Amino acid sequence: DAKTTQPTSMDCAEGRAANLPCNHSTISGNEYVYWYRQIHSQGPQYIIHGLKNNETNEMASLIITEDRKSSTLILPHATLRDTAVYYCIVRVVSDYKLSFGAGTTVTVRA
Amino acid sequence: KAGVTQTPRYLIKTRGQQVTLSCSPISGHRSVSWYQQTPGQGLQFLFEYFSETQRNKGNFPGRFSGRQFSNSRSEMNVSTLELGDSALYLCASSLRGGYEAFFGQGTRLTVV
Repeated sequence: DAKTTQPTSMDCAEGRAANLPCNHSTISGNEYVYWYRQIHSQGPQYIIHGLKNNETNEMASLIITEDRKSSTLILPHATLRDTAVYYCIVRVVSDYKLSFGAGTTVTVRA
Repeated sequence: KAGVTQTPRYLIKTRGQQVTLSCSPISGHRSVSWYQQTPGQGLQFLFEYFSETQRNKGNFPGRFSGRQFSNSRSEMNVSTLELGDSALYLCASSLRGGYEAFFGQGTRLTVV
């Protein structure tokens, strides 16, 4: 019952910015946008989340459109270690579970 | 600080047996959730515990159960194992449910 749409895969050159889009056209006013990634055979790793303002941390930036129907995760300088499946999830903060979709497989190439 | 610890990392069991997996959350985190990941179904929510109480449960048969102890450590049990239970089982902890969840490395269960 994932509420997001992401491209199946994308490639990125090492050292360049990676821009990962996510559509969430049915997002509710109290739902946040969360991003996680999963490197092969490891547990998912929290990246960032936001409600309506753009957010930045040491890992990435999150840009949410004004109507909140879509967002973009930006990895500013992709490295080979950023190769992973990236999941965009919308959820109410109090929701106990994360509903993972298929995510975007990002391959960073040297 | 230490992350989420899951034991064992790998497990091989025979059909019909039962298995218990363990999860130690980040210190201070009181919510523990469990997920199953398979190639066909992806990541699916099993259940969530907070202060020793199961608050939420996913759509899994009763063979899947869990519990949480007073120190927030959690175990999940799968009885009468089936081949389809082969999966990566992931545990996530958070301060009180919701918010950022931090995952362990998982337990890879193979049922033969």
